Formats: sequence, C-alpha cells, structure tokens
Amino acid sequence: GENVEQHPSTLSVQEGDSAVIKCTYSDSASNYFPWYKQELGKRPQLIIDIRSNVGEKKDQRIAVTLNKTAKHFSLHITETQPEDSAVYFCAAAPRGSARQLTFGSGTQLTVLP
Amino acid sequence: EAGVVQSPRYKIIEKKQPVAFWCNPISGHNTLYWYLQNLGQGPELLIRYENEEAVDDSQLPKDRFSAERLKGVDSTLKIQPAELGDSAVYLCASSLGESGEQYFGPGTRLTVT
Repeated sequence: GENVEQHPSTLSVQEGDSAVIKCTYSDSASNYFPWYKQELGKRPQLIIDIRSNVGEKKDQRIAVTLNKTAKHFSLHITETQPEDSAVYFCAAAPRGSARQLTFGSGTQLTVLP
Repeated sequence: EAGVVQSPRYKIIEKKQPVAFWCNPISGHNTLYWYLQNLGQGPELLIRYENEEAVDDSQLPKDRFSAERLKGVDSTLKIQPAELGDSAVYLCASSLGESGEQYFGPGTRLTVT
C-alpha cells in the first residue's frame, strides 16, 4: 500500500517569512495530492490539492509543487500570518480517486509574531 | 449547508465498557469514512462506505470494532469492549463521487481509563 512521509514534524517561522513542508510517497500510481489544515481542536479542512497532470498550483499565499519523478510534493506558504499556525497534513491517493487517501504524520507550524 | 455532524464530541469510559459514535454526513454524499487519529498523527482509515456497502474495512479491528450505515445515510461506529489503547479522536468524513473532496466532522475524542 501507499506510504506517505512528511517533514518536518514541527516548524517555526517569523511572521512574514515563508514556510515549506515536504512529503514523499511510495506508490507511483498515486496522482491526487491534497493538503489539509487542522487548527487545534478543530476538524481537518482541505486548503489546496494537486493532480499529477500539473506541476504546480497556487491559491493566493499558498502553493503546492509536485515532482512525480522523485515522488515528492511540497506545500509553500508565503507571507505567513499568525492565523496560519496549525497542523498541516499531506495525503496521497491512487488513480485519481480522492476516496483512498493515505495521510502523512503532520507538521505543526507555528508563526511567531 | 450543514457540515458533517458527529456526536458525542467527548466521551470518557472505563476499559472493557462499550462505546458508540454517531455520524451524519453532508446531505447527498454517498461516501462515508471513519478515521482514527492518534495524538500527533495523521488520520488513519478504519472503514469506508459507498452508500450502505462497506467497501474498505481492512484496517478495522473486527474483534472489537463494528460499524453500520443503515439506509446509506447516518453511520455508527462501535467499540466493545474498549481498551486503553483505543483512546484517540475518531473522525467521520464524507464525500461525493470519485474525485470529491473529503469533508471532515469535528471528531469524537475518546478517553479510556
């Protein structure tokens, strides 16, 4: 089955700086890669996703890049704000089915004011 | 539109006792998921339903866990008897179609003493 590794497990940045979280996956058949944000005590929420037919996707301050050859993908947050502080999870799913997600172990991002 | 609803939000029980969690998915969502989330970890799939059929329950510990989704809408997850190691957050999610985003509920935090 799929195995998703995520790092770092914790990340602290100064407000206004950029943050990068990286994930690798094992199953070459995976082609759907969402990122979820989970604030303390709240539900995970999808913030951005990418499918393997594109290499990069942006949405305002967040972007995701995908390298299928190396089997890794990354989340980039620019101009970080205190409200970006949360746990971020990457996930991978095979063959375009968003139903079969395997999650990474999460990154606790802290944005220092 | 209401999101995924779960109850109870918190449950404390003694080991060997039974416990049940309830989930009401987003209206019209045919796929329902139960996940286990341990502290500091990503969600791990326990069972996935397509309508009323359980199509992936390979990670469900069937000696003590059971689930049902009567009429293809609400779902119940049961543990009997509970063990100390079952302390975790149990998340329910739902989605529509092959590529639909998974929407998570707020979770039930279970503490087994």
